[in-house]
Amino acid sequence: DAGVTQSPTHLIKTRGQQVTLRCSPKSGHDTVSWYQQALGQGPQFIFQYYEEEERQRGNFPDRFSGHQFPNYSSELNVNALLLGDSALYLCASSPQAPDLQYFGPGTRLTVL
Amino acid sequence: AQSVTQLGSHVSVSEGALVLLRCNYSSSVPPYLFWYVQYPNQGLQLLLKYTTGATLVKGINGFEAEFKKSETSFHLTKPSAHMSDAAEYFCAVSDQGGFQKLVFGTGTRLLVSP
Repeated sequence: DAGVTQSPTHLIKTRGQQVTLRCSPKSGHDTVSWYQQALGQGPQFIFQYYEEEERQRGNFPDRFSGHQFPNYSSELNVNALLLGDSALYLCASSPQAPDLQYFGPGTRLTVL
Repeated sequence: AQSVTQLGSHVSVSEGALVLLRCNYSSSVPPYLFWYVQYPNQGLQLLLKYTTGATLVKGINGFEAEFKKSETSFHLTKPSAHMSDAAEYFCAVSDQGGFQKLVFGTGTRLLVSP
């Protein structure tokens, strides 16, 4: 059984560009959460998707948006990239039982 | 609002010594508490979790943690450190019965010397 997968592994963009990151949840999981981990910091919650709807959102601007597909996979979109958006973006999936999240390996985004 | 404080951004121990990583939380509702480990250039791996019930929780790789409500603490311990334990450790809190939004501490880097 594959765990949580994310693509791409690494990405380099320039300021002002837009980026899309992808996540496939663990089999049987219907909830996907996204986190941003800046260098030397703990992960920060961006938002969570369940049944193709954004269920909860952290303190991130509207430049950060997402989507969940019927197969539960998810995308994170960031518009008008800033240098400060450089970070490791982590996806986590979880089943209905709300006490455990499984994390993917992350996508390293570098904004130049 | 929930928050987590991890005391000590770096902890150094010798191989075979006791590991103690400190975590204090703040939560207005009964919390779920977690410890995750992150190896270089990798995602997060769950070490252990406290939800309800027994306050001493055993996890993988010989780690354990004790939930102390009166001290709002959830410190992580391991009796004997191995070189392979060198990594970044994160404590996290979420609401019981909530939507699983995890609030993380800033992490503690564990260094293990021979």
